[in-house]
Amino acid sequence: KAGVTQTPRYLIKTRGQQVTLSCSPISGHRSVSWYQQTPGQGLQFLFEYFSETQRNKGNFPGRFSGRQFSNSRSEMNVSTLELGDSALYLCASSLAKAALNTEAFFGQGTRLTVV
Amino acid sequence: EDQVTQSPEALRLQEGESSSLNCSYTVSGLRGLFWYRQDPGKGPEFLFTLYSAGEEKEKERLKATLTKKESFLHITAPKPEDSATYLCAVQDSHYNQGGKLIFGQGTELSVKP
Repeated sequence: KAGVTQTPRYLIKTRGQQVTLSCSPISGHRSVSWYQQTPGQGLQFLFEYFSETQRNKGNFPGRFSGRQFSNSRSEMNVSTLELGDSALYLCASSLAKAALNTEAFFGQGTRLTVV
Repeated sequence: EDQVTQSPEALRLQEGESSSLNCSYTVSGLRGLFWYRQDPGKGPEFLFTLYSAGEEKEKERLKATLTKKESFLHITAPKPEDSATYLCAVQDSHYNQGGKLIFGQGTELSVKP
């Protein structure tokens, strides 16, 4: 079956601009999480959406936001881009059945470069 | 505060030379511990989930074990294609169900022929 799909794969943006990243989860998966990966900080949790509601949130500024649609697809938005936002942005999906711990499967990521 | 520490940061092995990677964690309550493999420029690939101390899981040359404070990823007779960064992550049961994973910094494994 198809895996997690992230678009676009690569982006170059200028400081001050905004950007929207997209994630299509594995069919049937209702939970979508977003992570930022940088060489210095590693993988850091941004937020998680489940049934169109933000369920968990990491320690990132309000410039980072997201949403989930009724078909479980998710988008992440970063406004007023800074140089430090350059990173690999990863999306992960999971079944997330109530009270069960399920594996998270990652997409290939979107490489964002801010110049 | 939840914390995951992996050691060593980098490991160089000869083909066939077995070794272990360590993942130490601090969480208020462990919901699960996950191992991932990541190749350069790609997303992490799921390997194992461990839920309780004493649990073990195997896949080809890899075997993951869990205690109350740490997990080990044992690599038996590694091959060059096992070269990658291995990531450990935990889920804290304190959080509202769901998918927040706390990652370690990873161990970069290089296997030379």
